[in-house]
Amino acid sequence: DGGITQSPKYLFRKEGQNVTLSCEQNLNHDAMYWYRQDPGQGLRLIYYSQIVNDFQKGDIAEGYSVSREKKESFPLTVTSAQKNPTAFYLCASSIMKNQPQHFGDGTRLSIL
Amino acid sequence: GQQVMQIPQYQHVQEGEDFTTYCNSSTTLSNIQWYKQRPGGHPVFLIQLVKSGEVKKQKRLTFQFGEAKKNSSLHITATQTTDVGTYFCAAMNYGGSQGNLIFGKGTKLSVKP
Repeated sequence: DGGITQSPKYLFRKEGQNVTLSCEQNLNHDAMYWYRQDPGQGLRLIYYSQIVNDFQKGDIAEGYSVSREKKESFPLTVTSAQKNPTAFYLCASSIMKNQPQHFGDGTRLSIL
Repeated sequence: GQQVMQIPQYQHVQEGEDFTTYCNSSTTLSNIQWYKQRPGGHPVFLIQLVKSGEVKKQKRLTFQFGEAKKNSSLHITATQTTDVGTYFCAAMNYGGSQGNLIFGKGTKLSVKP
């Protein structure tokens, strides 16, 4: 069954700590994305990748980093530089950039 | 930068009533996509509109793309409790193949049985 898997579902971060959110897809999609969703807000693009070993900043990249070493995987690291990391993080993929996107179930990140 | 405005932000309806959400842009759009996010869930792609004046239907849902390609609407006929959720539009500027999809803030629909 093809899809996108995000883990963990819930994550807690201590002050000054970096945390990494996992995103894996078996849809053979070239493009992958990370979004942040805050209550009452739409989806804001953090980073995206159109192809392996390449990624671009989105609208709110500060305090985040990504890698795309494999087509299937696009992990997101929330660094200590991100001062307000509490949010719902969604990973998505599409056949090509800006084509309809498939989303994972998301990760809820909270500060301890 | 490009903005996509969605109205209304919230809509409460009685089951059986109709519902419409609108997506507006000040610039011409290349295409528009609609997504639905159930409470506690993730966005799920519903449809993509590309042509000026395009109308597409999915059972009780009707999607329209304006003639000028600056606005779009999603209409649900005779709402059911299963329609509850937030509906998002996502759009890209005309000729903006290098740009990114911009999501509206969504319209949250609640349905009273």
